[in-house]
Amino acid sequence: RKEVEQDPGPFNVPEGATVAFNCTYSNSASQSFFWYRQDCRKEPKLLMSVYSSGNEDGRFTAQLNRASQYISLLIRDSKLSDSATYLCVVNRDTDKLIFGTGTRLQVFP
Amino acid sequence: GAGVSQTPSNKVTEKGKYVELRCDPISGHTALYWYRQSLGQGPEFLIYFQGTGAADDSGLPNDRFFAVRPEGSVSTLKIQRTERGDSAVYLCASSLQGAQDTGELFFGEGSRLTVL
Repeated sequence: RKEVEQDPGPFNVPEGATVAFNCTYSNSASQSFFWYRQDCRKEPKLLMSVYSSGNEDGRFTAQLNRASQYISLLIRDSKLSDSATYLCVVNRDTDKLIFGTGTRLQVFP
Repeated sequence: GAGVSQTPSNKVTEKGKYVELRCDPISGHTALYWYRQSLGQGPEFLIYFQGTGAADDSGLPNDRFFAVRPEGSVSTLKIQRTERGDSAVYLCASSLQGAQDTGELFFGEGSRLTVL
């Protein structure tokens, strides 16, 4: 079983839609959580950290459920430019980041 | 620019050959990471340097893979006796000190390795 699991998608949604991705992690010792974004044939870039209390950055909301060991990312009012792969990332008490497979989002007009 | 630089951007080689991939991190970043990414997969951790030393090399798949960072800046990933299964994009990333707190790694554009 992979340490970080995501539905690969693709999620095809119209502009303006709200879409949510989930990610589960297997190691209960995981301490820090992040979402990265990767455009097609580009390098991954940090989108946002995920805090225990949940956090919001504009149209993006990230939540963490430690009891169930899952992380979510909600995107409101989807834009064409949101089309990308969203990578769930966890780490334990080291500096090694473990990436999930990624969930592909395609926003259409 | 001042980002992470990787060379070559593309490398095609034959099975059994030796390959070196180079990474020049952001100036002043002490932490340097190597990942590899296959099509449809997320980045897979290979090795992480803090300064000149390998802090964690648990992701190196076997002894054909080796990485160095002799002066604490540029790093080279070396692959001996390449196999077709080594074909992937090799990503280098750097971080000011380490990714544990901020989670922010700055990635290069990657070196696409194709083993024929």
